[in-house]
Amino acid sequence: EPEVTQTPSHQVTQMGQEVILRCVPISNHLYFYWYRQILGQKVEFLVSFYNNEISEKSEIFDDQFSVERPDGSNFTLKIRSTKLEDSAMYFCASSGTGIEAFFGQGTRLTVV
Amino acid sequence: GENVGLHLPTLSVQEGDNSIINCAYSNSASDYFIWYKQESGKGPQFIIDIRSNMDKRQGQRVTVLLNKTVKHLSLQIAATQPGDSAVYFCAERDGYGQNFVFGPGTRLSVLP
Repeated sequence: EPEVTQTPSHQVTQMGQEVILRCVPISNHLYFYWYRQILGQKVEFLVSFYNNEISEKSEIFDDQFSVERPDGSNFTLKIRSTKLEDSAMYFCASSGTGIEAFFGQGTRLTVV
Repeated sequence: GENVGLHLPTLSVQEGDNSIINCAYSNSASDYFIWYKQESGKGPQFIIDIRSNMDKRQGQRVTVLLNKTVKHLSLQIAATQPGDSAVYFCAERDGYGQNFVFGPGTRLSVLP
């Protein structure tokens, strides 16, 4: 069964460092998303991406965040200068129709 | 993602009984809803969806009910099994945006 895959599963980084979280969406899907979940809290929307551009973003997605689809298969989230409060699980999701969304297993980001 | 015992509503049911998980949503413009299941350390897993022009939808062992008058969504799981133990989130999307807004989640514990 097709699935969204994310790497790495766990990333530890020092405060102020840049991190890139990687995602391979389901093949033939056209809509891509990043969500995050701080430990013990609910899943929060970060950004949606369609047709090679951001279609929607939340207040969380400030200038420190960027997304890119560098090739036909990967979808990345970059955090330029990580802060302690960026520690969370980051989930990538994709959709074929822009209606439903299928999630990956997540990357746990720990900023120390 | 993990929701490790931090103030999540919890529903405990006996194996074999039916479970009903409830969710209140806030946006009357929401036109599409999904129930997700999240097991410890994993991403949200799609269970069942419903559009706002329906009030009931059935899947395999699961039923979603939508009451737009009171902005209430419920997930019914028939013959609950140990493998159903997880945190369940409802997610809503309005007709204008791409993002989903997740509810706070309910932890379902299935007792032997």
